[in-house]
Amino acid sequence: EVQLVESGGGLVQPGGSLRLSCAVSGFTFSTYWMSWVRQAPGKGLEWVANIKEDGSETYYLESVKGRFTISRDNAKNSLYLQMNNLRAEDTAVYYCAWGGSWYFNWGQGTLLTVSS
Amino acid sequence: EVVLTQSPGTLSLSPGERATLSCRASQSVSSTFLAWYQQKPGQAPRLLIYGASSRATGIPDRFSGSGSGTDFSLTISRLEPEDFAVYYCQHYGGTPKTFGQGTKVEIK
Repeated sequence: EVQLVESGGGLVQPGGSLRLSCAVSGFTFSTYWMSWVRQAPGKGLEWVANIKEDGSETYYLESVKGRFTISRDNAKNSLYLQMNNLRAEDTAVYYCAWGGSWYFNWGQGTLLTVSS
Repeated sequence: EVVLTQSPGTLSLSPGERATLSCRASQSVSSTFLAWYQQKPGQAPRLLIYGASSRATGIPDRFSGSGSGTDFSLTISRLEPEDFAVYYCQHYGGTPKTFGQGTKVEIK
């Protein structure tokens, strides 16, 4: 069974930092692109970033470039999103998603709230 | 960036009826790069269709996708109670990947 389990969300002040993690099982993690997609409260879906199988290529939503870093540890079957200089508009549920184009499966999401 | 516009915003139908959801792209796109997802309240999205018309694993055949160029559609042939949800289209042919704003299918 495929499982993607996010963790690390919480309440952060504007300008703060947080690291999200996603633990993956049920497929060969090291052979697939992975992505982060977010959803602000009551809003639609927004792609954030993706990363190639070996981590050699990464792509970002323009509004998070320079602030967010996607990475992976294939030995640990884990995906990460380091988020710095957080803004109120980054408040959302962050989903880890299997795939770099369409998304085969999604985690249950972790909520990030940026507020003072 | 490809902007996707979904219509209608809300579709009110009864179980057993046929639902047709539209997704219009701001420029012509390859059908290879169009997907559809279903999302129920409090749940993660679920992949229904990729490549505009290929059903994902385990998706019932009452769901079908079609279209080309700028106009794509998702059809649910006969609505089951579990199909009432929000549906999103997605274009993944470049960066950024983009989603439509969603169509809510609600019980009439």
